[in-house]
Amino acid sequence: DTAVSQTPKYLVTQMGNDKSIKCEQNLGHDTMYWYKQDSKKFLKIMFSYNNKELIINETVPNRFSPKSPDKAHLNLHINSLELGDSAVYFCASSRHDGSGYTFGSGTRLTVV
Amino acid sequence: DAKTTQPTSMDCAEGRAANLPCNHSTISGNEYVYWYRQIHSQGPQYIIHGLKNNETNEMASLIITEDRKSSTLILPHATLRDTAVYYCIVRAIRGSNYKLTFGKGTLLTVNP
Repeated sequence: DTAVSQTPKYLVTQMGNDKSIKCEQNLGHDTMYWYKQDSKKFLKIMFSYNNKELIINETVPNRFSPKSPDKAHLNLHINSLELGDSAVYFCASSRHDGSGYTFGSGTRLTVV
Repeated sequence: DAKTTQPTSMDCAEGRAANLPCNHSTISGNEYVYWYRQIHSQGPQYIIHGLKNNETNEMASLIITEDRKSSTLILPHATLRDTAVYYCIVRAIRGSNYKLTFGKGTLLTVNP
């Protein structure tokens, strides 16, 4: 069983479109995250949710809207996609105390 | 969180020990040293972490200097599958802010 699963694995879309990436964890963790890895390979946190509540928002444009329907899911919706949004997006989860940090396998988003 | 400095790249022969250094001279007393690795196109994978004592698990050993200003990750018998970017991360646990701040890491190439 995959601990942190993301769908889709690859996403190619045109500028201006709206798209969503889904993430689910079956580890019983309380906290979930979205990270972005750009073309220069820097990994940066975007958001963090703890028990469905937003706790970190790292100055991400408001075109990005995370949604957590329950503590096992954290989806990322992106409006009006831009070329610069092309990156690999990683979902992660951890226990409430930050231990057990586990990443998903990533979603490669390409905006054309 | 304290900043870390790692060499950009290192090479290691298959079967030999790989020793990856990390400097974290501004580390605070309550900050842990974490090591993650990212194999090409995959999500970061947790390796090991420690506060001040040396630690060992099935993947690696972590040696932290007495002043805690530097550490070394040791892969005792490197294999080709250990080729990856290795990240040394110093992380404080305060409140529920459990983000991981990734630097550029060290690209370890294990050669046959």
